[in-house]
Amino acid sequence: QKEVEQNSGPLSVPEGAIASLNCTYSDRGSQSFFWYRQYSGKSPELIMFIYSNGDKEDGRFTAQLNKASQYVSLLIRDSQPSDSATYLCAALYSGGGADGLTFGKGTHLIIQP
Amino acid sequence: EAGVAQSPRYKIIEKRQSVAFWCNPISGHATLYWYQQILGQGPKLLIQFQNNGVVDDSQLPKDRFSAERLKGVDSTLKIQPAKLEDSAVYLCASSPSGVSVDTQYFGPGTRLTVL
Repeated sequence: QKEVEQNSGPLSVPEGAIASLNCTYSDRGSQSFFWYRQYSGKSPELIMFIYSNGDKEDGRFTAQLNKASQYVSLLIRDSQPSDSATYLCAALYSGGGADGLTFGKGTHLIIQP
Repeated sequence: EAGVAQSPRYKIIEKRQSVAFWCNPISGHATLYWYQQILGQGPKLLIQFQNNGVVDDSQLPKDRFSAERLKGVDSTLKIQPAKLEDSAVYLCASSPSGVSVDTQYFGPGTRLTVL
C-alpha cells in the first residue's frame, strides 16, 4: 500500500525565517514527488515537483529528495504571511498508465508576522 | 487558458439520496482524475481516465460510486445512494497526457454535505 506521511502541524515560523516541511513515502517504486499548497476552502495548487535525488530550487522554494531514505522536503526561504497554508506532499507511481497521486494529510504552516 | 471547471460548487443532500458532479477539463488534456478530499486529509484518488477509458478505479467504491467520461472530454461522478461518510470535497484534475511528470491541474471542487 502506497503511503505518504506528513506531520500535520501546525508548524509556526516567524516571518522572514526558513520554513522546513518534510514527508516520507513508503513505496520505493514512486518516481516523482510533488508539493502542493492549499489555502483554506481552495483547491491544491502546484508549487514544484522533483524526481531526481538532490535539490531543486525555484525562487524562494527548494525541494529536496533522498530516495535512499524515502524522504522529501520543501524549504521556503524568507517566509511571508501569504505562505500560511496547508502544504500537501504527493508521490506518483506510474505503472500501467495509472499515475494518480498519493497525497499525505498535509502540514498546516503558519507564518507569524 | 481556462482552468478545470466543476459544478455544482456546493451540494447538500440527505443520506440515501443520489448526487452527480460534473467536470470539464482543460482543453486538450487527455487525462482526467477524480479525487475525494475529506476534511483534514489529503486528496484520495477515486478514478483516472485516459481519454474515455478507465485507467485506474481501484479506490472507487463501486457499490455506490460510478463515473464516466463520454467522448473523452467532460466527466460525471455519481453517488447512489449517499452515506454520511461521503461528505467531502470532490476534486477534478486534468493533465495533458498523464506521463509521470505532467502537472495535474485541479478544479475548484464540489463540496458535498450529506445529512
